[in-house]
Amino acid sequence: AQSVTQLDSQVPVFEEAPVELRCNYSSSVSVYLFWYVQYPNQGLQLLLKYLSGSTLVKGINGFEAEFNKSQTSFHLRKPSVHISDTAEYFCAVSLSANFNKFYFGSGTKLNVKP
Amino acid sequence: GAVVSQHPSWVICKSGTSVKIECRSLDFQATTMFWYRQFPKKSLMLMATSNEGSKATYEQGVEKDKFLINHASLTLSTLTVTSAHPEDSSFYICSARPQAGAPQHFGDGTRLSIL
Repeated sequence: AQSVTQLDSQVPVFEEAPVELRCNYSSSVSVYLFWYVQYPNQGLQLLLKYLSGSTLVKGINGFEAEFNKSQTSFHLRKPSVHISDTAEYFCAVSLSANFNKFYFGSGTKLNVKP
Repeated sequence: GAVVSQHPSWVICKSGTSVKIECRSLDFQATTMFWYRQFPKKSLMLMATSNEGSKATYEQGVEKDKFLINHASLTLSTLTVTSAHPEDSSFYICSARPQAGAPQHFGDGTRLSIL
């Protein structure tokens, strides 16, 4: 069975500080990995995705993530956060390149303080 | 591009009524649309996958007679919560995909509150 674990439900951080949001997955087959951001009362916006190739993936808004197959992780990082980055972040995996089905983590609330 | 619109964004209704939520792809044709449910402080859970012109495929544990899905055109899918009860209160999000292999684009969600 597949599962996605986001260990941190909330991450408080001061503005301009670096941040890492952790994501681990469990799967017996190859996966495709995604990070989404959700602002209050809105849908999900794709931040970045790993399909193949370089394990370091750069996304929008200055975010990046690194796929580590041996540790089955796909942690999201940003070197300097802004107040506007305050949102909920979801890690997700898809088992097929058709992206038919996503398994989402429980989300991490990033709270950026001034 | 790739905008998905949901309507309404918020609805409050009495227990026992039926509620219809629309999901539209505004600038692309969506062969496949997905419906998710998000509980407070929880992740999104896929409810069903609908392909234009065919019956929706429901995930295990989702009552297809309770949550009716129609995908009659390439730009519109609807989710009808029939005889809604307070436990159906939730945030419902749809997504649409132009073709296989393309990422899903999410709508802004509909907050459903049943009194």
